[in-house]
Amino acid sequence: DAKTTQPPSMDCAEGRAANLPCNHSTISGNEYVYWYRQIHSQGPQYIIHGLKNNETNEMASLIITEDRKSSTLILPHATLRDTAVYYCIVDNNNDMRFGAGTRLTVKP
Amino acid sequence: DTAVSQTPKYLVTQMGNDKSIKCEQNLGHDTMYWYKQDSKKFLKIMFSYNNKELIINETVPNRFSPKSPDKAHLNLHINSLELGDSAVYFCASSFFRDSNTEAFFGQGTRLTVV
Repeated sequence: DAKTTQPPSMDCAEGRAANLPCNHSTISGNEYVYWYRQIHSQGPQYIIHGLKNNETNEMASLIITEDRKSSTLILPHATLRDTAVYYCIVDNNNDMRFGAGTRLTVKP
Repeated sequence: DTAVSQTPKYLVTQMGNDKSIKCEQNLGHDTMYWYKQDSKKFLKIMFSYNNKELIINETVPNRFSPKSPDKAHLNLHINSLELGDSAVYFCASSFFRDSNTEAFFGQGTRLTVV
């Protein structure tokens, strides 16, 4: 079973930042936080991951709290094409278990 | 080139039939997975293989048998198909890592059992 909790849905205005929260209070010291998204019925797409430090790449930023019990994925300028289900996963040893995710709807 | 490719993309078959879904990756990964996404959209891991050896086998009926002829392929064979097997099946691959690399997913195979 998934070890994370996410809100089932969120809306965001186009061009604004989308902040997607995730709780992973039982995360252990060697588990990474991963974010994937699934657009419509396509295969899940990797976004970003981190262990302790905040991370940024061309798609998003990942903010992990100091106690590592929660994190936030930030899409800095959401577009309509970012509408998708976003999954937060804690993973160690190749055991990626998806929860229900957050359905993000970006609105014009 | 597609990194993780699955065939077929769509599969419609009758109950009781036996079918296979093929998966190939050209990323040099040593670990491959099968996931099932049902009508409620939950993605559930079924199997994972590392270097052709089974490392994760969730509670999946014996009718499902993964076969890994080499590191680049993980095929899923399903015997005696049932209505409840209708779903989208995703293959994925990654390195058997220290949890510091991402997985790549195929585009899915939509299986419909009638």
